[in-house]
Amino acid sequence: DADVTQTPRNRITKTGKRIMLECSQTKGHDRMYWYRQDPGLGLRLIYYSFDVKDINKGEISDGYSVSRQAQAKFSLSLESAIPNQTALYFCATSPGRSSYNEQFFGPGTRLTVL
Amino acid sequence: EDQVTQSPEALRLQEGESSSLNCSYTVSGLRGLFWYRQDPGKGPEFLFTLYSAGEEKEKERLKATLTKKESFLHITAPKPEDSATYLCAVSTNPNKLIFGTGTLLAVQP
Repeated sequence: DADVTQTPRNRITKTGKRIMLECSQTKGHDRMYWYRQDPGLGLRLIYYSFDVKDINKGEISDGYSVSRQAQAKFSLSLESAIPNQTALYFCATSPGRSSYNEQFFGPGTRLTVL
Repeated sequence: EDQVTQSPEALRLQEGESSSLNCSYTVSGLRGLFWYRQDPGKGPEFLFTLYSAGEEKEKERLKATLTKKESFLHITAPKPEDSATYLCAVSTNPNKLIFGTGTLLAVQP
């Protein structure tokens, strides 16, 4: 079974709709992250969470919100989707014991906003 | 401004033809450099972490090295299954990874 899972894997929606992307992990890691990936721009950090009570904005948080429901679950919401939010979205986790541990990524969600 | 640049953008090799991918960085205080492999439609898969200049790590046909300004991912006698996009990322503080845009490697049989 995959350690980091994301649902849905693909989603097509319309401008103005509310969308939630979900991430679950069985790695037991404290830290979780949401990234988006666009061609030519690389991976960019949207939000990150060091534990259930700690949520932080990344470099491109405008238009997004998150919820850390439990250590193992971290959801990303687009309150009112717009076409330039069309991208690949990845959830990642890392252990909290060292500040510079590697991150482990889920399989991604391909989101298309029409 | 912290930056990570990968070159080349794309590389085509024949099976068995060794080569290197480059990741150059300008950051204020490197805490770690990470290499990932990404297959089409999948999430990045962790390969290596390097923490200090002079450090080297190996895994099968891959070897990663680090200097004060750049890292190389050496691929020895590549096989078609090594075809993927290879991503480099640097950490400058506990909260942030800065990713390069990747090198798309194609190994032809």
